[in-house]
Amino acid sequence: GAVVSQHPSRVICKSGTSVKIECRSLDFQATTMFWYRQFPKQSLMLMATSNEGSKATYEQGVEKDKFLINHASLTLSTLTVTSAHPEDSSFYICSARDRDRDAHEQFFGPGTRLTVL
Amino acid sequence: GENVEQHPSTLSVQEGDSAVIKCTYSDSASNYFPWYKQELGKGPQLIIDIRSNVGEKKDQRIAVTLNKTAKHFSLHITETQPEDSAVYFCAAKVIYNQGGKLIFGQGTELSVKP
Repeated sequence: GAVVSQHPSRVICKSGTSVKIECRSLDFQATTMFWYRQFPKQSLMLMATSNEGSKATYEQGVEKDKFLINHASLTLSTLTVTSAHPEDSSFYICSARDRDRDAHEQFFGPGTRLTVL
Repeated sequence: GENVEQHPSTLSVQEGDSAVIKCTYSDSASNYFPWYKQELGKGPQLIIDIRSNVGEKKDQRIAVTLNKTAKHFSLHITETQPEDSAVYFCAAKVIYNQGGKLIFGQGTELSVKP
């Protein structure tokens, strides 16, 4: 149980276009989802925290107008990278907290590799 | 805010040896300390965690120790196997009024040589 999926697993886009990444909790309801970004050989950096039905809370330095997060249901959160540029190329990982489990645990998705040309 | 330091950044051991990775944290209010294993191109997977009211926890070949006074915690892997090779991240959870967020260490690339 506690499986998180992401779609797509890889995406290549041209500079200036927008890309949407989906994060789904497959077998549980996630009241809270988190979005991380990971550059090669680096750690996971939290971008934002989203609670179902409310606006996301962004970390300092993360542009909320560039990284749009929608958490419209208890099983789906989306991250849209608007007007993507090469410096946005990264590995994006979501995680989710199960509403019915220990509030500490977070379950991570497999990640989405974004390459902006 | 919370800061988590992790050492070493790379660790190479012979198969069958033990591996130890150490982390320190700065926020004394942190109360949850998970360890994740990340294989190349994949998301992190939780391998063990410990809460602040416990000093040690063990799960087969993996153990974690926590020293709250010194604000450090360690991961111990015994009888290492080649499939243990991966990047390991520690994390500390900072609690705030509506929940908490994980702050990650910099990661340790573990290589187990057969």
